[in-house]
Amino acid sequence: QKEVEQNSGPLSVPEGAIASLNCTYSDRGSQSFFWYRQYSGKSPELIMFIYSNGDKEDGRFTAQLNKASQYVSLLIRDSQPSDSATYLCAVTNFGNEKLTFGTGTRLTIIP
Amino acid sequence: GAVVSQHPSWVICKSGTSVKIECRSLDFQATTMFWYRQFPKQSLMLMATSNEGSKATYEQGVEKDKFLINHASLTLSTLTVTSAHPEDSSFYICSASSSNYGYTFGSGTRLTVV
Repeated sequence: QKEVEQNSGPLSVPEGAIASLNCTYSDRGSQSFFWYRQYSGKSPELIMFIYSNGDKEDGRFTAQLNKASQYVSLLIRDSQPSDSATYLCAVTNFGNEKLTFGTGTRLTIIP
Repeated sequence: GAVVSQHPSWVICKSGTSVKIECRSLDFQATTMFWYRQFPKQSLMLMATSNEGSKATYEQGVEKDKFLINHASLTLSTLTVTSAHPEDSSFYICSASSSNYGYTFGSGTRLTVV
C-alpha cells in the first residue's frame, strides 16, 4: 500500500464549478498535510497546509482533514482555466521533516 | 517571501560526464535541504536529505556514490550526478526547510543525458 494515495485522474471540471481533489494516507502518525499545485515542467507551488481536523479556507481553496478516516481533500471553488495543473498531496510525520508526496491528480478546467 | 534559486534550469550532457546542480537560499538560512527526482508523469521521489555541515541521508535505492550531495553552508547545497547515463535523465528539484518559511522549492533542473 502506498503511503499517500491520490486518484491520478484526469479530472475534468467545467469552468466556474467546484473541483474536489482527494488524498488518503496510510500512516496514522502523520501530522501535517500539504497541497501543492504543479504546472507542467515547473516545480510545485504550495497552495495550503492543514494540521487540525476540520476545514481550512483560503480564498477559493478549502482543505479538509479527517484524521480518523486518514483523508484529506482540497476543494477549489469557481474553478478557472488557470487552475488546470497537477495537484500533489504531501504528508509529514511527527518528528520527521520529510515530505511524502502522492502521485498527484491531473485537473483540467474546461472553459 | 523565501526564495530558493536553483541552477541550471536545464542541462544536456554526454553519457559518462558529471553534472552539478546548485540550490541557494537567497534570503533565509536553510537548516535542511531535500533533493527530489521526478520522472515524467510521476510524483516527486525523495532522493536524500542534507543538513548543513553533515553527511546527507539517502533514501533506499539511491546510490550515494553516484549522487553526491554537499551542504557546506546554510545557504548552499549542491547535487552532483556523477557518470551520468540516459536513465538519469529526469527533473531534479531541491527544497529548503526552515523554521520561518517551512518548505521552499527551487525551480527545478531538467537533466537530459545523451
